[in-house]
Amino acid sequence: DGGITQSPKYLFRKEGQNVTLSCEQNLNHDAMYWYRQDPGQGLRLIYYSQIVNDFQKGDIAEGYSVSREKKESFPLTVTSAQKNPTAFYLCASSPEGIVSEQYFGPGTRLTVT
Amino acid sequence: GEDVEQSLFLSVREGDSSVINCTYTDSSSTYLYWYKQEPGAGLQLLTYIFSNMDMKQDQRLTVLLNKKDKHLSLRIADTQTGDSAIYFCAEAGNTGKLIFGQGTTLQVKP
Repeated sequence: DGGITQSPKYLFRKEGQNVTLSCEQNLNHDAMYWYRQDPGQGLRLIYYSQIVNDFQKGDIAEGYSVSREKKESFPLTVTSAQKNPTAFYLCASSPEGIVSEQYFGPGTRLTVT
Repeated sequence: GEDVEQSLFLSVREGDSSVINCTYTDSSSTYLYWYKQEPGAGLQLLTYIFSNMDMKQDQRLTVLLNKKDKHLSLRIADTQTGDSAIYFCAEAGNTGKLIFGQGTTLQVKP
């Protein structure tokens, strides 16, 4: 089955710890994205990557970091510098670059206490 | 800057039609999208419309675009309890990024 997987589904961390969220796709898509979703708000773009070994900051990149060493994988690290890390994180990919339709993974709910 | 606005909540009875509205500010939008999100899940692309179209129909879904007023709507005919979800509209703006609305929670009462 082709698709986007995110793991784990739920993640709990103590304040001050870095945590890495996994995102893998086997759709052969060039572009990948990370969004953050908070209750009652739309999706906000954290980082995106249109090609391997290249990525750009989105609207709320502070406190986050990414890497794109392989086409299939786009992990997101939430660092201790992120002030309010508790949120639902969604990964997406797109076949033709940033403007075309995006396909989403199931999400990871991160809780930091 | 670019902005997309939606009402937050809509409640309908099963079997009725639902109409979810969206307004956007970027007149250079090329594509506009509707996504559905069920509880605790990712977003599922429902349909999209190119900016030179006025209407697109796909089974129970009808998308209407009024480019002059920058208004997009999604009509769901014969709404079922399985349609209960959050619906997001999104535009592909001139920055090359997707801009999402806040989402409309659709509640379908039996």
